[in-house]
Amino acid sequence: DAGVTQSPTHLIKTRGQQVTLRCSPKSGHDTVSWYQQALGQGPQFIFQYYEEEERQRGNFPDRFSGHQFPNYSSELNVNALLLGDSALYLCASSSKPNAEQYFGPGTRLTVT
Amino acid sequence: GIQVEQSPPDLILQEGANSTLRCNFSDSVNNLQWFHQNPWGQLINLFYIPSGTKQNGRLSATTVATERYSLLYISSSQTTDSGVYFCAVTTDSWGKFQFGAGTQVVVTP
Repeated sequence: DAGVTQSPTHLIKTRGQQVTLRCSPKSGHDTVSWYQQALGQGPQFIFQYYEEEERQRGNFPDRFSGHQFPNYSSELNVNALLLGDSALYLCASSSKPNAEQYFGPGTRLTVT
Repeated sequence: GIQVEQSPPDLILQEGANSTLRCNFSDSVNNLQWFHQNPWGQLINLFYIPSGTKQNGRLSATTVATERYSLLYISSSQTTDSGVYFCAVTTDSWGKFQFGAGTQVVVTP
């Protein structure tokens, strides 16, 4: 049974560029949440997708957007990258919105 | 929003020692999870424990929801227990996690 998978593992982008990160949830899970973890801090909630709609959003600007596909996989898009967007981006999935969450290995984004 | 405080921020243990990590939260919670983040960044589920007590091998956890705290016990620590331990809580029906700042644990041989 595959757990939560994320791609790519690492990514280096230039300030001002756009990036797309991908997440496949654990088998049987239909809810996907995204988190940003800066170095030395706890993860911060970005948004959650359920039934292909954004259900909750944290304190992140509109440059952060996402999508959930019919197979429950999800994408996180960040436009106009800033140096401060450099972080580990984590995806979590659950069997329903408030159930136990399982995290993927993360995508480490570096903006230069 | 809810405040989640973890203590201590850092912990250095000798292999074989026991320890207790604490998570205090400022409001009623729907769910609470404990995670171990390994050096590669992977968050590993330890416990899903909105209330009560659970045990898994050398680890156990207790959440007293009415008093707004949770404890994670590590017994007979091993070097593989090193890493950051996070407590995360949700206060709504959608599962938006609020994480604490974590406890950095170093277990020395």
